[in-house]
Amino acid sequence: RKEVEQDPGPFNVPEGATVAFNCTYSNSASQSFFWYRQDCRKEPKLLMSVYSSGNEDGRFTAQLNRASQYISLLIRDSKLSDSATYLCVVNAVTGMDTGRRALTFGSGTRLQVQP
Amino acid sequence: EAQVTQNPRYLITVTGKKLTVTCSQNMNHEYMSWYRQDPGLGLRQIYYSMNVEVTDKGDVPEGYKVSRKEKRNFPLILESPSPNQTSLYFCASSLMGGRARGEQFFGPGTRLTVL
Repeated sequence: RKEVEQDPGPFNVPEGATVAFNCTYSNSASQSFFWYRQDCRKEPKLLMSVYSSGNEDGRFTAQLNRASQYISLLIRDSKLSDSATYLCVVNAVTGMDTGRRALTFGSGTRLQVQP
Repeated sequence: EAQVTQNPRYLITVTGKKLTVTCSQNMNHEYMSWYRQDPGLGLRQIYYSMNVEVTDKGDVPEGYKVSRKEKRNFPLILESPSPNQTSLYFCASSLMGGRARGEQFFGPGTRLTVL
């Protein structure tokens, strides 16, 4: 089982739609969570951190469910410019070895917003 | 402008010919890391460094070396490249703190092909 699992998609949605991605993680010691966005052939860029109480940044809402070990990303009113791959990232810091396996990346979910 | 730079951006080489990919950041970050990205496998950490002269293996270190002689630079060395090292490579940097380490800044990537 992968440590961080995402539906690879692609999710094809019309402009203006609301779309949600889920991500599950297997390490219960995971401490912090993030969503990154990666455009085709470009570097990943941090989209938002995910906080325990859930957080919102404009049209983007992130949620964390520690009991079920998943995080979600909701995008409202999709724009063409939202087309990208969204990477779920988990930071598991275990024991004294605080550097090892700092971040585990999911393989990403591809979103294609269509006119 | 805060940034992570990598060179070269594209490289085609032959099996066994030593190469170095440079990485430099201007944000005074302590933590630097190298990843490779392969289809369906997501980003996997090769090596990381928590500060000058402090480096350690990530998930897939075989066939790679790194050094951290200065805070800003973190070169990736392939002593004897093989075709299975054909991949897209990213360098990243961040501050050291727990959540801060999840907020990584990535370089533009180096696409390496080993024939």
